Amino acid sequence: QVQLQESGPGLVKPSQTLSLTCTVSGGSISSGGYYWSWIRQHPGKGLEWIGYIYYSGSTYYNPSLKSRVTISVDTSKNQFSLKLSSVTAADTAVYYCARESRSSEYYFDYWGQGTLVTVSS
Amino acid sequence: DIQMTQSPSSLSASVGDRVTITCRASQSISSYLNWYQQKPGKAPKLLIYAASSLQSGVPSRFSGSGSGTDFTLTISSLQPEDFATYYCQQSYSILFTFGPGTKVDIK
Repeated sequence: QVQLQESGPGLVKPSQTLSLTCTVSGGSISSGGYYWSWIRQHPGKGLEWIGYIYYSGSTYYNPSLKSRVTISVDTSKNQFSLKLSSVTAADTAVYYCARESRSSEYYFDYWGQGTLVTVSS
Repeated sequence: DIQMTQSPSSLSASVGDRVTITCRASQSISSYLNWYQQKPGKAPKLLIYAASSLQSGVPSRFSGSGSGTDFTLTISSLQPEDFATYYCQQSYSILFTFGPGTKVDIK
């Protein structure tokens, strides 16, 4: 059973960089056919896809966040990470990591439990 | 971006009711449509992928249909554990987008 777990600071100051890590267990991040995503949910709101990374390191980011987002992967630790720079209060949200299954269909089949990140001084 | 809309935004229903939620895409997305269930404080859970394929372990009272721009999630007989918010998500475009959600609560 694949499990994902987010970790990182729950409080970040405005203008600083938000950094989160997702640790994958029960499966290898290097397995082909899967992409590894970050998704966020503002309090009481809907879901916003941030971007994904493949184990090879190829990435794609939501254009609305692209200038501030970096997603990286560490296959030796079975982890992938999110960095979001120059944060403001509008970046306060629950951040989820998720596995995207890609065969002939694409869907998020495993999710982390989510971690609330608050941007405040 | 492909915009996703859902209707209704919320509904009240009783245990045993048949519930239908509609999702509409701003352009044709073929069958690249997924449905998720989210309970308060929890991560979304995949219910239906590719518009009509039931994810492993999901009860058969959940079903999905549609293609192109219009899609439906149906719960044939609502159970107490089904009270939650439901989201559709398109995976046709590389820029994945979600609908705003439909909250199903107890009448």
